[in-house]
Amino acid sequence: GAVVSQHPSRVICKSGTSVKIECRSLDFQATTMFWYRQFPKQSLMLMATSNEGSKATYEQGVEKDKFLINHASLTLSTLTVTSAHPEDSSFYICSALGRSTDTQYFGPGTRLTVL
Amino acid sequence: GQQLNQSPQSMFIQEGEDVSMNCTSSSIFNTWLWYKQDPGEGPVLLIALYKAGELTSNGRLTAQFGITRKDSFLNISASIPSDVGIYFCAGLLGSNSGYALNFGKGTSLLVTP
Repeated sequence: GAVVSQHPSRVICKSGTSVKIECRSLDFQATTMFWYRQFPKQSLMLMATSNEGSKATYEQGVEKDKFLINHASLTLSTLTVTSAHPEDSSFYICSALGRSTDTQYFGPGTRLTVL
Repeated sequence: GQQLNQSPQSMFIQEGEDVSMNCTSSSIFNTWLWYKQDPGEGPVLLIALYKAGELTSNGRLTAQFGITRKDSFLNISASIPSDVGIYFCAGLLGSNSGYALNFGKGTSLLVTP
């Protein structure tokens, strides 16, 4: 199946700093990528849809100025958590829309801990 | 997005037993997907269903896309310890919703040797 990578796999940062997470589709071009957040023992919640070359579409309740998304190429989308706070600590997972557009392939996730 | 109703929430079974879990929705979907997530990892696609009534197998896994397009089930036969994990169903509407997935809350599966 298609491969999606994320970097870093885990990051610990101080409150008030910004953290950038990368999502790459390794063997296919993804015009659309998605960013999810998952809290412990909960399901994945969609944060935003990232389309290459255009502005991301954010879900209700997700602050676009806090979670900056850049989809600069067909294989890379980045999520920057700005001025991170402890409540932003979570598991962030990206996915990429496959060529058939009927399936999504997920990255391995990034564990963010804000102290 | 809409969250799907997935049950059971958790299952604790013995190795060799069969497992069944299902998802229902008040809305219809064009595609149903089943994922497995191991701790600290991203979800891995198990089975994708594209047509109402479709029954698809992947090894010991079998899933069906309900006729009404509002439900799906996943069966695991002869479970083994490595089946442990959280299973998520997901419904996909298609282009009208920007291809976003709607997830169930997950079924946590524990298998004892």
